[in-house]
Amino acid sequence: EDKVVQSPLSLVVHEGDTVTLNCSYEVTNFRSLLWYKQEKKAPTFLFMLTSSGIEKKSGRLSSILDKKELFSILNITATQTGDSAVYLCAVKVSGGATNKLIFGTGTLLAVQP
Amino acid sequence: EAGVAQSPRYKIIEKRQSVAFWCNPISGHATLYWYQQILGQGPKLLIQFQNNGVVDDSQLPKDRFSAERLKGVDSTLKIQPAKLEDSAVYLCASSLVGGPSHGYTFGSGTRLTVV
Repeated sequence: EDKVVQSPLSLVVHEGDTVTLNCSYEVTNFRSLLWYKQEKKAPTFLFMLTSSGIEKKSGRLSSILDKKELFSILNITATQTGDSAVYLCAVKVSGGATNKLIFGTGTLLAVQP
Repeated sequence: EAGVAQSPRYKIIEKRQSVAFWCNPISGHATLYWYQQILGQGPKLLIQFQNNGVVDDSQLPKDRFSAERLKGVDSTLKIQPAKLEDSAVYLCASSLVGGPSHGYTFGSGTRLTVV
């Protein structure tokens, strides 16, 4: 069974701290790994990673994929209260004619002033 | 472009009642997904359509859940009869065939509470 595991489940930090969120996976027919931020209801897209070792960066957020060890990390530097959210990792897998996303349970990040 | 539209935003029903959710995907997106997100968990795929055909409904509890996508555009998801454990946020998402480079676009979801 395809599985995506995120750690930690929750995290409380202070503004200015740097955090690292982890995502490991065991799937067949891996296509890509995606990170989403979920503040209220709809997850919003952050990154999509398909190749190992190539860092994707957007402002204070960055992410990298290791396809040999089957994991990804999401780094957030100089955290702000607006970074408080659930961060979801999802793996896109292919099955026949379809692709689908398998989500982890998410990491709840709380950034305190 | 307009986003994925869902309605209603919230719904409270008693167990054993019926409920239906509606989704209008982004124009031109052939693929539509319904996800169930129980509190504290990640979204779980219930059903995936490509145009108006079902391509994956392996995790849909077919004894009580049904979904259709008429004319390959709007979709409805129905639960009949509802159980307490169906309380969750139901997310609709859409994408181009094969998925765009930025993944799927999600709607704001419908929060269902079964009492």
